[in-house]
Amino acid sequence: KAGVTQTPRYLIKTRGQQVTLSCSPISGHRSVSWYQQTPGQGLQFLFEYFSETQRNKGNFPGRFSGRQFSNSRSEMNVSTLELGDSALYLCASTHGGKTEAFFGQGTRLTVV
Amino acid sequence: DQQVKQNSPSLSVQEGRISILNCDYTNSMFDYFLWYKKYPAEGPTFLISISSIKDKNEDGRFTVFLNKSAKHLSLHIVPSQPGDSAVYFCAAYSGGGADGLTFGKGTHLIIQP
Repeated sequence: KAGVTQTPRYLIKTRGQQVTLSCSPISGHRSVSWYQQTPGQGLQFLFEYFSETQRNKGNFPGRFSGRQFSNSRSEMNVSTLELGDSALYLCASTHGGKTEAFFGQGTRLTVV
Repeated sequence: DQQVKQNSPSLSVQEGRISILNCDYTNSMFDYFLWYKKYPAEGPTFLISISSIKDKNEDGRFTVFLNKSAKHLSLHIVPSQPGDSAVYFCAAYSGGGADGLTFGKGTHLIIQP
């Protein structure tokens, strides 16, 4: 069974640009969550999608958005990039609800 | 306000001995807890979980203990192996799980030969 796949693995963008990251969950998993990891703040919850609907969102500005497609694949978008958005972005998939979340390898975003 | 706290940023243990990683939480709504292991530049790998209706869960070398009254959980690794050297994160769910996982800041476990 294939794991969670995130693309791209690495990305360098300039301040003010926008970026789209992609996540393919484990087959059969309908829930996809996104997390941001930085040295100062640790792992923080961005948002969660289930059956194409955003069920909850963490404490992040509106520049961070996402969506989920009918095949459960998800994308997250960050607009008007700031230097502080440099981080490892992780996607996790679950069947839904409180079950073990399985993470992808992450996308390392660097904003210059 | 940190709801999940791992107060030891690092821990050094000799190979073959027991590693004990600790985690405290403040949110009484947390009712499902998980431990993850993480290597640099990779995503966290799920290790073991425990529901609040239990006080112990065991899987091979890994055992998690939950003390609800103290709002404390611990991960025991016995015996510790060199491949166990990594950062370990404690995480918790509340409600229906749609709020996502709340993570601690992690403990860097170093296994000494």
